[in-house]
Amino acid sequence: EAGVTQSPTHLIKTRGQQATLRCSPISGHTSVYWYQQALGLGLQFLLWYDEGEERNRGNFPPRFSGRQFPNYSSELNVNALELEDSALYLCASSRTGAPDYGYTFGSGTRLTVV
Amino acid sequence: GNSVTQMEGPVTLSEEAFLTINCTYTATGYPSLFWYVQYPGEGLQLLLKATKADDKGSNKGFEATYRKETTSFHLEKGSVQVSDSAVYFCALRISSGSARQLTFGSGTQLTVLP
Repeated sequence: EAGVTQSPTHLIKTRGQQATLRCSPISGHTSVYWYQQALGLGLQFLLWYDEGEERNRGNFPPRFSGRQFPNYSSELNVNALELEDSALYLCASSRTGAPDYGYTFGSGTRLTVV
Repeated sequence: GNSVTQMEGPVTLSEEAFLTINCTYTATGYPSLFWYVQYPGEGLQLLLKATKADDKGSNKGFEATYRKETTSFHLEKGSVQVSDSAVYFCALRISSGSARQLTFGSGTQLTVLP
């Protein structure tokens, strides 16, 4: 079974540009979650998508947005990049409505804003 | 709201020492509890979980017991190895409502010396 795949692995952008990060969940998983892991900090919840709908978002400005496609893959967009957006962005997937299931995480996209 | 408070790190131990990483939580309702591990340069992996009070999760010699009366889920291992060096995250997930995403603690860096 293929795991959660994220692309690209690394991304370098200039302040003010836009970044697009992609995530493919495990087959059969309909929920996708995005987290930001800044250096020295824990995981901050960004967005949750399920069945193509945004179910919840964390305490991030609107320039962080995303979507989920019919095949359940997902995209995270970060507009007007700022230096403090530099972080590891982790995607995870799970089955819907099963709280005792853990998530399966991808290896992340390392975004560097210069 | 839901939150997880985790023992501050970093923690440095000698090989074969006993490990305890404290974790307490605040949650509405009855959460499922998890420990995740992140090895250098990788995403998070589920280490163990417990879904109801008094459940004990265990894996790879690690254990944690869901204590509802003390709202705790402390991680323990009787004899650590160098290969256990990683960052450990405690997390919770509630079963209903819009905030069903995993909520993580801040992580504890563990280094095991030979």
